[in-house]
Amino acid sequence: DTAVSQTPKYLVTQMGNDKSIKCEQNLGHDTMYWYKQDSKKFLKIMFSYNNKELIINETVPNRFSPKSPDKAHLNLHINSLELGDSAVYFCASSPTVKTGGGYTFGSGTRLTVV
Amino acid sequence: EDKVVQSPLSLVVHEGDTVTLNCSYEVTNFRSLLWYKQEKKAPTFLFMLTSSGIEKKSGRLSSILDKKELFSILNITATQTGDSAVYLCAVVIIQGAQKLVFGQGTRLTINP
Repeated sequence: DTAVSQTPKYLVTQMGNDKSIKCEQNLGHDTMYWYKQDSKKFLKIMFSYNNKELIINETVPNRFSPKSPDKAHLNLHINSLELGDSAVYFCASSPTVKTGGGYTFGSGTRLTVV
Repeated sequence: EDKVVQSPLSLVVHEGDTVTLNCSYEVTNFRSLLWYKQEKKAPTFLFMLTSSGIEKKSGRLSSILDKKELFSILNITATQTGDSAVYLCAVVIIQGAQKLVFGQGTRLTINP
């Protein structure tokens, strides 16, 4: 069973479109995250949710809106896509806040905006 | 600003060589340091380090943390082509909530 699963794995779309990426974890973790990895492989946190509550919101354009219907799901909706949004987006989860470890990553969604 | 710096950014060696990857950090509210291996997809967990001077070992890989000098190293002995990957260092910090701050990664290539 996949512990953290993201869909879709690949997404190619035109500028200006709106798209969503879904993430689900079956590990029973309380905290979920979205990370963005750029072309240089640099991973940077975007959002973190703990038990459906937003706890980290880095400096991300408000075209990006996370939604957590329950603690096992964290979806990412992106409005008015731009070329610079092209990247790999990773979802991750960890057991509880402040444990210092236990992160599990999904396999990533490669978003290409053309 | 919290910062994690890895070096070298890229390393090419021959199979059987030993490599040392470096990670230095300047952060507030340090909690732990994590090493990940990333091949084509998700980063996979290698080590979590919280205490200085205690070596963590897993097969040919080992890692150690120095909290006074603010760095960690990852050693790989008797490298194999399957060790080729990007190795990521990340520091867990607490700023109200917990988050990972990543370094740029070291791309390691092992040639046969």
